[in-house]
Amino acid sequence: SQQGEEDPQALSIQEGENATMNCSYKTSINNLQWYRQNSGRGLVHLILIRSNEREKHSGRLRVTLDTSKKSSSLLITASRAADTASYFCATDKRGSSNTGKLIFGQGTTLQVKP
Amino acid sequence: DVKVTQSSRYLVKRTGEKVFLECVQDMDHENMFWYRQDPGLGLRLIYFSYDVKMKEKGDIPEGYSVSREKKERFSLILESASTNQTSMYLCASRPDRVETQYFGPGTRLLVL
Repeated sequence: SQQGEEDPQALSIQEGENATMNCSYKTSINNLQWYRQNSGRGLVHLILIRSNEREKHSGRLRVTLDTSKKSSSLLITASRAADTASYFCATDKRGSSNTGKLIFGQGTTLQVKP
Repeated sequence: DVKVTQSSRYLVKRTGEKVFLECVQDMDHENMFWYRQDPGLGLRLIYFSYDVKMKEKGDIPEGYSVSREKKERFSLILESASTNQTSMYLCASRPDRVETQYFGPGTRLLVL
C-alpha cells in the first residue's frame, strides 16, 4: 500500500514563480525525504527532514514537516526550466528495523515554462 | 560520487522468457533495492538485500526472484516474463547508517 500521497499530481508554472507540492502519509515516521526524477531517468535525492525537525532549507528548496498532520511540503523558489521533473516524497516508517525501506508517494509532475 | 549502473536502459522480451536485470554499485554499499515504477502507482519495492546472499521480500515480490552473490551486484530475475511485468525497473543502493538511497538510471522493460 502507498504510504504517501502527493498533491497536486501535476503542476505547471512560469519560470521565476514558486512551486509548492505536498505529501501526506499515514504512519509515524523516522524521516521524510524528497527525490527528483527527470523524465525517464533514476531518482536523485534532494533533501531529508527528520521527524523532530519542522523546517529545512537547501538552496532554493524549503521543506516543512508537520507530524501532527502527517504532512510535508516542498517549496521550490524562483523556479527554472531545469526544475521540470517529477518529485516524490518517501517515508521511513518509525519502528522498522534498520533496513532503510522507503515508501514512496505517487509523485508530482512539475512543468516550468520558460 | 556514488555510481549505480543498470545493465540495460531498454529491453524487449517475449512472454515466458527468463529475464535478468543487473545492477552494480561502486561504493561498497551494504543495502540494495529493486523497485518497479508504473504510472499512477509510484515506486513499489520488489525485493531488497542488506548483505551478500541475504534478501527480503518487498511489497510485490510475486513473479520475481533476486540474487546477490557479490556485494556490488544485485540481480533481479523474472523467471517467466509476463505482459503485466512491462514496467520501469529501478535499482538503488544505500550504505548502513545513511538514509539516502542512490538510484540507477532505470531499465524500461517491455514484455510482448
